[in-house]
Amino acid sequence: GIQVEQSPPDLILQEGANSTLRCNFSDSVNNLQWFHQNPWGQLINLFYIPSGTKQNGRLSATTVATERYSLLYISSSQTTDSGVYFCAVDPGGADGLTFGKGTHLIIQP
Amino acid sequence: DAGVIQSPRHEVTEMGQEVTLRCKPISGHDYLFWYRQTMMRGLELLIYFNNNVPIDDSGMPEDRFSAKMPNASFSTLKIQPSEPRDSAVYFCASSLATGVRTFGSGTRLTVV
Repeated sequence: GIQVEQSPPDLILQEGANSTLRCNFSDSVNNLQWFHQNPWGQLINLFYIPSGTKQNGRLSATTVATERYSLLYISSSQTTDSGVYFCAVDPGGADGLTFGKGTHLIIQP
Repeated sequence: DAGVIQSPRHEVTEMGQEVTLRCKPISGHDYLFWYRQTMMRGLELLIYFNNNVPIDDSGMPEDRFSAKMPNASFSTLKIQPSEPRDSAVYFCASSLATGVRTFGSGTRLTVV
């Protein structure tokens, strides 16, 4: 099956800092989503981005499908950004998502 | 829309008991997925349905696990008999065709 690798596994930053999270995948995909799992365990969809670039406030994401990677940018970090960020992909577009192991982000005040 | 609704939020049961987890997908969505999250294995797909029909159950751990979707607005995941290694957070998600998968809040299962 498809492999999904996320880096870095852990990231500790001060409030106000910027960060870039990376997701590499081993095959072409029809669906790629970024999720934030908050401290209460909820999985919140951030972006649906099988290709191209999207922005939502302080967050933006870029997927370069031909090179099989996606990047999530977080600017001006806030403590509420803490949690685990997952990249998940679906090669077929109508199957289950395969998740990476996540990036554990801690934003310190 | 209320989103994907899962119940119960927490379940504690004794080994050997039957456990039933419930999910109500977003109205109009035609795909429903069940996932399990553990520290060791991360998030893994158990089974998914399209138009109430199971499409792929290759992720179901063993015969103790079963899932049904009797109609478009309800699905269950049953474990019988439950074992301590089944302790995990179980998520349900739904989507419209190949679109965004929206997840429920999960059910935290503890088997003692």
